[in-house]
Amino acid sequence: ETGVTQTPRHLVMGMTNKKSLKCEQHLGHNAMYWYKQSAKKPLELMFVYNFKEQTENNSVPSRFSPECPNSSHLFLHLHTLQPEDSALYLCASSQDSLASGELFFGEGSRLTVL
Amino acid sequence: AQKITQTQPGMFVQEKEAVTLDCTYDTSDPSYGLFWYKQPSSGEMIFLIYQGSYDQQNATEGRYSLNFQKARKSANLVISASQLGDSAMYFCAMREELTGNQFYFGTGTSLTVIP
Repeated sequence: ETGVTQTPRHLVMGMTNKKSLKCEQHLGHNAMYWYKQSAKKPLELMFVYNFKEQTENNSVPSRFSPECPNSSHLFLHLHTLQPEDSALYLCASSQDSLASGELFFGEGSRLTVL
Repeated sequence: AQKITQTQPGMFVQEKEAVTLDCTYDTSDPSYGLFWYKQPSSGEMIFLIYQGSYDQQNATEGRYSLNFQKARKSANLVISASQLGDSAMYFCAMREELTGNQFYFGTGTSLTVIP
């Protein structure tokens, strides 16, 4: 496998459920990201991990909980979500924090909260 | 203020013609990078092209070129010889040296290639 892989691709959950999104990168990158993409809005950065340490947390509600056990894996744990949390959640990785390092994205996990 | 502005929500182009997608940016950091991504209906964001703030020449990658006008803070994407497979959302993004891992994205432009 190569690139950035996200599972599941689609997820439907109720507001009382607990679920997790998984991301795996096979590129040897040292930074991983979670983005939220809602219709007609810019991508919203949620979390950044650099060398497994969380470096950004853009005021994300506590019902979203990230976990980065190693530099290749990133999880987003979801609990007691709201319908407005329905969106495409994109995982990405990059080699470094220099301005020239592009993001490599996964195909996204489309979440629907009922 | 918006860091990245894409003023064209939707664009149409005839197959085999060229099209320009607009992007303007706002930064006071002298060192930054500009990126364009393509997002087909499948959802994956595909990296297309990169321009560094200190690069003297416009970046080119195959049919993609970036019209970089630093003084005007614009980084328009030019797609030449459009193909049906180019129909997708296109996002402009910027990364600043000072803020490290922070990427700023625009709202995107939906491109439709007409046969």
